[in-house]
Amino acid sequence: DAGVIQSPRHEVTEMGQEVTLRCKPISGHNSLFWYRQTMMRGLELLIYFNNNVPIDDSGMPEDRFSAKMPNASFSTLKIQPSEPRDSAVYFCASSPRGSGIYEQYFGPGTRLTVT
Amino acid sequence: AQSVTQPDIHITVSEGASLELRCNYSYGATPYLFWYVQSPGQGLQLLLKYFSGDTLVQGIKGFEAEFKRSQSSFNLRKPSVHWSDAAEYFCAEGSSNTGKLIFGQGTTLQVKP
Repeated sequence: DAGVIQSPRHEVTEMGQEVTLRCKPISGHNSLFWYRQTMMRGLELLIYFNNNVPIDDSGMPEDRFSAKMPNASFSTLKIQPSEPRDSAVYFCASSPRGSGIYEQYFGPGTRLTVT
Repeated sequence: AQSVTQPDIHITVSEGASLELRCNYSYGATPYLFWYVQSPGQGLQLLLKYFSGDTLVQGIKGFEAEFKRSQSSFNLRKPSVHWSDAAEYFCAEGSSNTGKLIFGQGTTLQVKP
């Protein structure tokens, strides 16, 4: 089975540009998580969805960040406008159907560089 | 607030030596605990998990971890380290209230030939 798929794997953009990161979770998983990883702050949860509904977006740094999950097989994280401090690796993870705590399966990440 | 502590930021061991990575959690009488590994340029891969039952859990790649409630610890061990084990290791605890995973800061493992 395919794991979590993220695209693009690398993105270089200029400050002020819009950036869209994409994620396809594992089929049958009903929870999806967006994380950001930097050397300074480690791994931070930005937002997560359950059954396509955003449950907790308290980790989204500011209004420039938005995330959507239009269906069970696709999610996007958008940054508009982007800033150099947004440079990081962004991971998407999904978790199996059901309630409670389940292990999360991570995608390979998107390395974003904003110049 | 719920937190996970990995006291060692960086550890170096010789190939073939034993390994123990420390993890302390702060919350929950019955914690849900995980260890993940991240190789350079890769995503996080689940090594093992503890939900309940036997306090010694076996994972992939020859790793095991022991849950000790009295010490609020969930240390990761491997009897003999291979050069390919060089990576960053993350301990995490699940929150039954929110469904979130709380990650530690990670421990970077370097393996000497």
